[in-house]
Amino acid sequence: GDSVTQMEGPVTLSEEAFLTINCTYTATGYPSLFWYVQYPGEGLQLLLKATKADDKGSNKGFEATYRKETTSFHLEKGSVQVSDSAVYFCALSATGGGNKLTFGTGTQLKVEL
Amino acid sequence: NAGVMQNPRHLVRRRGQEARLRCSPMKGHSHVYWYRQLPEEGLKFMVYLQKENIIDESGMPKERFSAEFPKEGPSILRIQQVVRGDSAAYFCASSPMLGETGGDEQFFGPGTRLTVL
Repeated sequence: GDSVTQMEGPVTLSEEAFLTINCTYTATGYPSLFWYVQYPGEGLQLLLKATKADDKGSNKGFEATYRKETTSFHLEKGSVQVSDSAVYFCALSATGGGNKLTFGTGTQLKVEL
Repeated sequence: NAGVMQNPRHLVRRRGQEARLRCSPMKGHSHVYWYRQLPEEGLKFMVYLQKENIIDESGMPKERFSAEFPKEGPSILRIQQVVRGDSAAYFCASSPMLGETGGDEQFFGPGTRLTVL
């Protein structure tokens, strides 16, 4: 079945550091890929998405590129802020979309001054 | 446009009681999904519904759990005879009809945190 693997956290960085959170997936066909962010006590918010190979999703300084050859969708940001502290989830939806999301276990990011 | 609404935000039940969780999708959305987040884990899909229809319930436990999305009113996730292992955050998400713009994007509610004593 479909699955998503994320690097384990927590990841602790100093403000303005470079961020990479690795995500790889296993799926048949051509899934859509997503990054969601969850702030403490809140629901998930869509951060960015990509629906086909080589697409780059970007939002709020974050970006991720859909790499079919390596089945990866790594999240990056050039300079993190304290306000980026949250849990980040990589997810996929099956070919055709509009279907259930399969999530990774989440990676907690802590950004310190 | 109001987002996905869930209530209650927090629910405490004793073992053996029933829990009812409600979800109102975003206006114009006809698809609802329920996910469960156990402590220190990611979200796990439970069920996918359209109005008056269950489309995919492959993630639902076989006993005690049921879901509905009636023609009128919110979607309901019902857990009968709760046990301590049911303690979790339950999230609802909604999406537009398939084929429409953004049809593969799900919008999440704030969740209901169920505690079973």
